[in-house]
Amino acid sequence: NAGVTQTPKFQVLKTGQSMTLQCAQDMNHEYMSWYRQDPGMGLRLIHYSVGAGITDQGEVPNGYNVSRSTTEDFPLRLLSAAPSQTSVYFCASSRDRGLLRETQYFGPGTRLLVL
Amino acid sequence: QQPVQSPQAVILREGEDAVINCSSSKALYSVHWYRQKHGEAPVFLMILLKGGEQKGHEKISASFNEKKQQSSLYLTASQLSYSGTYFCGTVGQGGKLIFGQGTELSVKP
Repeated sequence: NAGVTQTPKFQVLKTGQSMTLQCAQDMNHEYMSWYRQDPGMGLRLIHYSVGAGITDQGEVPNGYNVSRSTTEDFPLRLLSAAPSQTSVYFCASSRDRGLLRETQYFGPGTRLLVL
Repeated sequence: QQPVQSPQAVILREGEDAVINCSSSKALYSVHWYRQKHGEAPVFLMILLKGGEQKGHEKISASFNEKKQQSSLYLTASQLSYSGTYFCGTVGQGGKLIFGQGTELSVKP
């Protein structure tokens, strides 16, 4: 199993550009989520999904869109990038959609710089 | 709402002990602990559930006080490999895993 994969590893954008961060898992996990990590702020939940076709907002959803058309993939879209979205983005997945009893497996992260 | 971790940072010598605390203002169903090395992804350490069940790392212990919505992670006889940032995450009624701001642990020789 490859686990949780993320592409790209690093990206530079100009303000106003759009892009999609890709996330895929091959463990047949129901629960998938996106976090952003900024110094001193910890890991903040952007969006999450408890299964194909079901998504919901986390703590900091503004400026980001998600969809979940398959169990394996959970892309994160930035419609119009802003410098405040400069961050490290982690995708994670878990077997249990309830998340109460199961660990989350994190991808390696995508470093995004918005100029 | 993010859980609050304390301390924000701690420096230890090898062999010393440390306690990291995590507190939430909301009722919790479970508390998760993760460790992140610099430049890497967070890695699972432990889950503590209501009712006392625990799942996780053999060499790390933790407690969960359901009434006070607090959890503590106990690192005993610390090793150099324990260095990193520790995050607690809490799962409440909404079913989302929300992380605290992290505690940076440095273990020196």
